[in-house]
Amino acid sequence: EAQVTQNPRYLITVTGKKLTVTCSQNMNHEYMSWYRQDPGLGLRQIYYSMNVEVTDKGDVPEGYKVSRKEKRNFPLILESPSPNQTSLYFCASSLTVSAETQYFGPGTRLLVL
Amino acid sequence: GQQVMQIPQYQHVQEGEDFTTYCNSSTTLSNIQWYKQRPGGHPVFLIQLVKSGEVKKQKRLTFQFGEAKKNSSLHITATQTTDVGTYFCAGPYGNKLVFGAGTILRVKS
Repeated sequence: EAQVTQNPRYLITVTGKKLTVTCSQNMNHEYMSWYRQDPGLGLRQIYYSMNVEVTDKGDVPEGYKVSRKEKRNFPLILESPSPNQTSLYFCASSLTVSAETQYFGPGTRLLVL
Repeated sequence: GQQVMQIPQYQHVQEGEDFTTYCNSSTTLSNIQWYKQRPGGHPVFLIQLVKSGEVKKQKRLTFQFGEAKKNSSLHITATQTTDVGTYFCAGPYGNKLVFGAGTILRVKS
């Protein structure tokens, strides 16, 4: 089954404790991205990747890192989480570019205390 | 920067009433996409509009792309409780995809 998976689905952590949210897709998509969703603000793109080893900042990249060592995986790293990073995070992928249909993962709800 | 404005933010309708959400871009778009997110779920692609003035229908949903390719709308005829959720538009700006803030639709039966 074609899908985007994320782990963990829920996470409670404390300020400053490094964490990684994994994202994996099995559709051989080149384009992958991370979004955060906050009430009233919609989905805001954090980082995106056009292909392996090619990543770039989205609209809200501060406090986040990503890597794309393999085509299928695109982990989101919070080196020192802060309470303002409490949010719902979605990973998404598409075949080649941002202008194509995005397939979203199930989401990761993060609470930073 | 690039902006996609979407209104209204929230709409509560009686079942059977119509619903419309509007999307405006600060710049001309190559295409516009619409997504639906059910409560507790993730965004799911509905449709993509590419041509100026394009109109597409999916059962009770009608999507329009403006002549200038800067605005779009989604109209639902005779809403049902299954239409509940948040509807997002999204436009590509270079390699980024920018989403509107979404319109939350609640349907009262």
